[in-house]
Amino acid sequence: DVQLVQSGAEVTKPGESLKISCKGSGYSFKNYWIGWVRQMPGRGLEWMAIIYPGDSDIRYSPSFQGQVTISADKSISTAYLQWSSLKASDTAMYYCARRGQLWHAFDFWGQGTLVTVSS
Amino acid sequence: EVVLTQSPGTLSLSPGERATLSCRASQSVTSSFLAWYQQKPGQAPRLLIYDASSRATGIPDRFSGSGSGTDFTLTISRLEPEDFAVYYCQQYGSSPLYTFGQGTKLEIK
Repeated sequence: DVQLVQSGAEVTKPGESLKISCKGSGYSFKNYWIGWVRQMPGRGLEWMAIIYPGDSDIRYSPSFQGQVTISADKSISTAYLQWSSLKASDTAMYYCARRGQLWHAFDFWGQGTLVTVSS
Repeated sequence: EVVLTQSPGTLSLSPGERATLSCRASQSVTSSFLAWYQQKPGQAPRLLIYDASSRATGIPDRFSGSGSGTDFTLTISRLEPEDFAVYYCQQYGSSPLYTFGQGTKLEIK
């Protein structure tokens, strides 16, 4: 079965750095795009970035370009999302999701990682 | 930038009724690359429909999608209790690469 398992909840302070992860299993990780989606408390879904682990091709949403870094290590089937200096406004649930090969929708999702940034 | 506008914001219906949710794009969606997701409280979104009208694996046939260009519709033919949730449309292809609508909350009347 296809699974995306994300790292656990994080509580951090403004200005700190953070890297969260998403490990894929049950499929050929390197051959599927993996994206990250933000959901702020009580709000809708926002696409942030997407990566193709096979060759590390990356696309960012203009809204998140320069704010986060997406990466992947295909040898351990894991994608990452990182911040160099968190802000209180980064407090949100972050989901990773796999894009289908034959369609451009996200067909499998991780369980989400809650990031709380508070002084 | 493509903006997706979903209507209504909240839809109040009873089990057994038919639900019609709308998603309108500010410009034509590339090749009908339009998807619909369902999200229940405390859960990740679930893919229902891709390419405007194709049901994802395991999705009941009471869910159907239609539309092209700038106007798309998700229809739930007969509501089951587990269908009450928030629904999002999403497009692929125009800048930004992916865009979500703001969501429609389907609540029990």
